[in-house]
Amino acid sequence: KQEVTQIPAALSVPEGENLVLNCSFTDSAIYNLQWFRQDPGKGLTSLLLIQSSQREQTSGRLNASLDKSSGRSTLYIAASQPGDSATYLCAAGGSEKLVFGKGTKLTVNP
Amino acid sequence: ETGVTQSPTHLIKTRGQQVTLRCSSQSGHNTVSWYQQALGQGPQFIFQYYREEENGRGNFPPRFSGLQFPNYSSELNVNALELDDSALYLCASSPNLALGTDTQYFGPGTRLTVL
Repeated sequence: KQEVTQIPAALSVPEGENLVLNCSFTDSAIYNLQWFRQDPGKGLTSLLLIQSSQREQTSGRLNASLDKSSGRSTLYIAASQPGDSATYLCAAGGSEKLVFGKGTKLTVNP
Repeated sequence: ETGVTQSPTHLIKTRGQQVTLRCSSQSGHNTVSWYQQALGQGPQFIFQYYREEENGRGNFPPRFSGLQFPNYSSELNVNALELDDSALYLCASSPNLALGTDTQYFGPGTRLTVL
């Protein structure tokens, strides 16, 4: 059974700081690893998707890496901004379903 | 551009009642999945429908049921509501089952509160 863990549960940083969010998963037989952003009371916004054969993906100030052998993924956010404040969820993608972690709540202080 | 819509946005029910949530998939998508997200938790997979048939199910009791229609819109029905059913319900559509979770597009969700 796939289990996904995200550390830390919450993170508060000053504006401009670079930061790393961590995600671990127990079953390396994944199709993909996805990162989402969720604003309070809202749905999910897809940020990055890494195929199982890939090592990383980049979009703007975001970079996600995947190490299947160790069951880990990281989301790197460069030059954080107050608008980045949200909960970040990672999900291990199987053939039919995503298994999510509980998320990391990020607060970027001006 | 996702194009997945859900209705209603918010819903309040009392314990024991029944509820129907609706999802309109993006045009051309034949696969829909439903997830439940309790407060402070990650979304959990409820079930998936492909071409009007249930294709997979998570660890949810039978009082959670679904339908997918020929136009690929979908419903989630929950009977005998319990307080713990209070959550954000998300649907996600995909253009083809074979593409798996690579191309799931999420809707904005329905917030269900059970009193």
